[in-house]
Amino acid sequence: RKEVEQDPGPFNVPEGATVAFNCTYSNSASQSFFWYRQDCRKEPKLLMSVYSSGNEDGRFTAQLNRASQYISLLIRDSKLSDSATYLCVVNPGPHTGFQKLVFGTGTRLLVSP
Amino acid sequence: EPEVTQTPSHQVTQMGQEVILRCVPISNHLYFYWYRQILGQKVEFLVSFYNNEISEKSEIFDDQFSVERPDGSNFTLKIRSTKLEDSAMYFCASSLGGSQPQHFGDGTRLSIL
Repeated sequence: RKEVEQDPGPFNVPEGATVAFNCTYSNSASQSFFWYRQDCRKEPKLLMSVYSSGNEDGRFTAQLNRASQYISLLIRDSKLSDSATYLCVVNPGPHTGFQKLVFGTGTRLLVSP
Repeated sequence: EPEVTQTPSHQVTQMGQEVILRCVPISNHLYFYWYRQILGQKVEFLVSFYNNEISEKSEIFDDQFSVERPDGSNFTLKIRSTKLEDSAMYFCASSLGGSQPQHFGDGTRLSIL
């Protein structure tokens, strides 16, 4: 089983749509969880951390289910500028490495006019 | 907003040559990292560095790789004898704490001929 698994997409959605991405992780001891976005040939940029209680930042909502080892990202009212690859990222924690980040392969989102 | 800076943006090197990639992390951050991304693949952890020593490294980070913080601001990655398969985008990152979000530089594209 991959450490972090994501549907590669692409997800093609019209402007204004709501889109959800899912991610699963294999290490139940994982400590921290993040969503990053990556534009073509650019660096990963932190979108948001993901907390057990769920958290929201404007149009973006992240959820974590530790029992199912499942992370989600919901984007409401999609904008053209949301077109990017969304990376599910996990910090495995002290048992396998406190500081390294493990990246999923990313889910590509294309928002069209 | 403070950012991680990397130089050069693109490095072309003959196979077998040594290459040094440079990074200036965010000034108050204490943890430093190198990642790489081969074209079309996911971001992979190479090494983390804290308190002037390597805290963790991946299987990719073999004897050909080394890191150094030669002064109070720079953080470098050296590849001693480059191979064709070292061609990738190399990202430097830094974080305030070990499990805090990591912020990435815009990368160095390394091309080995």
